[in-house]
Amino acid sequence: GENVEQHPSTLSVQEGDSAVIKCTYSDSASNYFPWYKQELGKGPQLIIDIRSNVGEKKDQRIAVTLNKTAKHFSLHITETQPEDSAVYFCAAILSGSARQLTFGSGTQLTVLP
Amino acid sequence: NAGVTQTPKFQVLKTGQSMTLQCAQDMNHNSMYWYRQDPGMGLRLIYYSASEGTTDKGEVPNGYNVSRLNKREFSLRLESAAPSQTSVYFCASSEYDRENGYTFGSGTRLTVV
Repeated sequence: GENVEQHPSTLSVQEGDSAVIKCTYSDSASNYFPWYKQELGKGPQLIIDIRSNVGEKKDQRIAVTLNKTAKHFSLHITETQPEDSAVYFCAAILSGSARQLTFGSGTQLTVLP
Repeated sequence: NAGVTQTPKFQVLKTGQSMTLQCAQDMNHNSMYWYRQDPGMGLRLIYYSASEGTTDKGEVPNGYNVSRLNKREFSLRLESAAPSQTSVYFCASSEYDRENGYTFGSGTRLTVV
């Protein structure tokens, strides 16, 4: 089955700096890669996603890049703010009829004021 | 617009007790999922239901059963709770026939003593 590895597990940045979280996946047939943000005590919330026919996608301060050849994708957050502090999960869809997401192990991002 | 609603939010069980976690979605999604979240291990799929009337095992199904009661509701049952089932449980739903992110509930924090 699909295996998604995510790093780093923790990341601290100064407010205003950029943060980068990286993930690799094993199933070359995976074709959808969402990123989720989980705030304390809440469920994960979709923040951005990318499909396999696209190399990069941006949404304001957040961007995701995908390298299908290398089977890795990354989340980039620019001009970080304290409210960006949360756990971030990458995920990949295992090809199949039920479209089950496989998640990375998460990155705790702390933005220091 | 409630999205995915989980009940209860918190529960403490004694070893050997049984309970059912409830999940309901109001987005007319076909697919529903149960995940458990443990520190450092991300989200692991317990069971899923690709559509009403079907259920399938995920990565960690042992000790659990599920029921897709109708299109809206998907319940998770622990027949004989064990301390290893102490975790945060998340229900999610998604469209079946197109790539899309999942919508998660706010979680149930379960402690088995």
